[in-house]
Amino acid sequence: DTAVSQTPKYLVTQMGNDKSIKCEQNLGHDTMYWYKQDSKKFLKIMFSYNNKELIINETVPNRFSPKSPDKAHLNLHINSLELGDSAVYFCASSQGNYNSPLHFGNGTRLTVT
Amino acid sequence: AQSVTQLGSHVSVSEGALVLLRCNYSSSVPPYLFWYVQYPNQGLQLLLKYTSAATLVKGINGFEAEFKKSETSFHLTKPSAHMSDAAEYFCAVSALTGNQFYFGTGTSLTVIP
Repeated sequence: DTAVSQTPKYLVTQMGNDKSIKCEQNLGHDTMYWYKQDSKKFLKIMFSYNNKELIINETVPNRFSPKSPDKAHLNLHINSLELGDSAVYFCASSQGNYNSPLHFGNGTRLTVT
Repeated sequence: AQSVTQLGSHVSVSEGALVLLRCNYSSSVPPYLFWYVQYPNQGLQLLLKYTSAATLVKGINGFEAEFKKSETSFHLTKPSAHMSDAAEYFCAVSALTGNQFYFGTGTSLTVIP
């Protein structure tokens, strides 16, 4: 049973398109995250939701819009894709305590051409 | 603000040799520290975490890390490297709010047969 699953695994699209990435966790966690990993493997947090409420919104272009229909799901919609959006996007979840680790999905590799 | 610094973006060891991956933290209060491993084309997996119960923490796959407050370090070690240990390793610290994790820039471990 996959704990944190995200789809699709690969996403290739052209500049200007709109795309979505879906994430679901079956761990019963209250907090979910989106991270972006660039080509140098640097991980940057984008958003965090706790019980469907946005609690972290880092300096991310407003073309990126997260949506959490319930605490087990956190989707990421990206409008007007740009070349610089090419990266691996990871969904993660945790219990939300400072000593609770993150559980990551396997990532979505987004390539914008 | 809390942060971690990983010294050495690339480390190469021979199979059977000691693995030492360095992590130093910056925190004004006792931190909660984590090591994660990322295998190619996968998400991050938790190796171990420090939560102040013991300074020497044992993790999965034979890895361990020692918390040294005097050196503000949390280095990851394994006595004998295996080919399967080749991966990217990330040190992370969590904020006391529990909703924010700060990752190091990662260390790529290569194991030479």
